[in-house]
Amino acid sequence: DGGITQSPKYLFRKEGQNVTLSCEQNLNHDAMYWYRQDPGQGLRLIYYSQIVNDFQKGDIAEGYSVSREKKESFPLTVTSAQKNPTAFYLCASSPDRTSGYNEQFFGPGTRLTVL
Amino acid sequence: EDKVVQSPLSLVVHEGDTVTLNCSYEVTNFRSLLWYKQEKKAPTFLFMLTSSGIEKKSGRLSSILDKKELFSILNITATQTGDSAIYLCAVGTGTASKLTFGTGTRLQVTL
Repeated sequence: DGGITQSPKYLFRKEGQNVTLSCEQNLNHDAMYWYRQDPGQGLRLIYYSQIVNDFQKGDIAEGYSVSREKKESFPLTVTSAQKNPTAFYLCASSPDRTSGYNEQFFGPGTRLTVL
Repeated sequence: EDKVVQSPLSLVVHEGDTVTLNCSYEVTNFRSLLWYKQEKKAPTFLFMLTSSGIEKKSGRLSSILDKKELFSILNITATQTGDSAIYLCAVGTGTASKLTFGTGTRLQVTL
């Protein structure tokens, strides 16, 4: 089955710890994205990558880091520098990195709670 | 700064009612406007609109874009409880397939 998978579904972390969220797609899409969703705030873009070994900051990149070593994988690390990391994290992918016309397909999300 | 505003933020209707959800935007280099439905977790794609005045339709859902007035509406007729969800509007800009999302409209359909 083609799609986007995210793991884990739920993640608990102590303050001061870094944690990495996994995102994998087998759709052969060029572009991948990470969003954060908080209640009442919609989706906010953290990082995006249009091609392997390249990525750009989104609107709220502080306290996060990413890598794109393989086309199908785009992991997100939430570092201890992120002041309020408890949120729902969504990964998405899009087939064409350049046209601006393609819809993004979303994974099921990871809910991160900092204790 | 690109901005997408949805209204109302929340809406409760009875099954069978017709609802209209609104999305207005102020962005540079507009490419497309997209509607998504989010029930529990992953948003699912509904429509993508790129041209003014052309209605997109799927069953009881329809949407139209006005590029002059910078807004779109999503209509749902004969609502059902299964329509209860958050409806997200997003605007694609530039050449990087980036989307800017609104805050969403939470729709609840009651019996």
